[in-house]
Amino acid sequence: QQQVKQSPQSLIVQKGGISIINCAYENTAFDYFPWYQQFPGKGPALLIAIRPDVSEKKEGRFTISFNKSAKQFSLHIMDSQPGDSATYFCAASIGNFGNEKLTFGTGTRLTIIP
Amino acid sequence: GAGVSQSPSNKVTEKGKDVELRCDPISGHTALYWYRQRLGQGLEFLIYFQGNSAPDKSGLPSDRFSAERTGESVSTLTIQRTQQEDSAVYLCASSSQGQTYNEQFFGPGTRLTVL
Repeated sequence: QQQVKQSPQSLIVQKGGISIINCAYENTAFDYFPWYQQFPGKGPALLIAIRPDVSEKKEGRFTISFNKSAKQFSLHIMDSQPGDSATYFCAASIGNFGNEKLTFGTGTRLTIIP
Repeated sequence: GAGVSQSPSNKVTEKGKDVELRCDPISGHTALYWYRQRLGQGLEFLIYFQGNSAPDKSGLPSDRFSAERTGESVSTLTIQRTQQEDSAVYLCASSSQGQTYNEQFFGPGTRLTVL
């Protein structure tokens, strides 16, 4: 049972464009939704995260939009740059202390072309 | 300070052999996680250590997999009688204690290939 579904599997965006990656979850107990960025040969690194008490969080060019009723959240990368080319994973967890294992989506390989 | 380190970075083994993977978490981090990343897939949770509490082993795929942690430092993941389907990148992460929604810091992973 895949608890976090991510789409698309791959995405090509022109430099300066907006990259959008979507995720949907099933477990309503999830209350912490991070996005991780992974470059080849490296471990994932936290990019941005949101809790369900807000509908949007913005950090620089990266924005998470969260729809609690639809059980969906998305990552928007504004003014996409070649350096943003990486694999992006959405994830979810139950954030209470002692139960923070992450459930990951299957990843989106993003390529920004000049 | 250094980040999470893992060794070896690559391991090639023959089917049926045992392998041991090592993780050194960030100093002071009490929580330690192991995940598995198969080619083209997301990360799968394997096991979670938090301080002196009993580990959460709910993600271990079979009894061939086990993990130990010495206090709040090094952890080893052992896979016995390896199978070809065990081929994957094994990632370790650590996080600090004391508040919820702690960021997990990942190591670079160990790429395991079972021939």
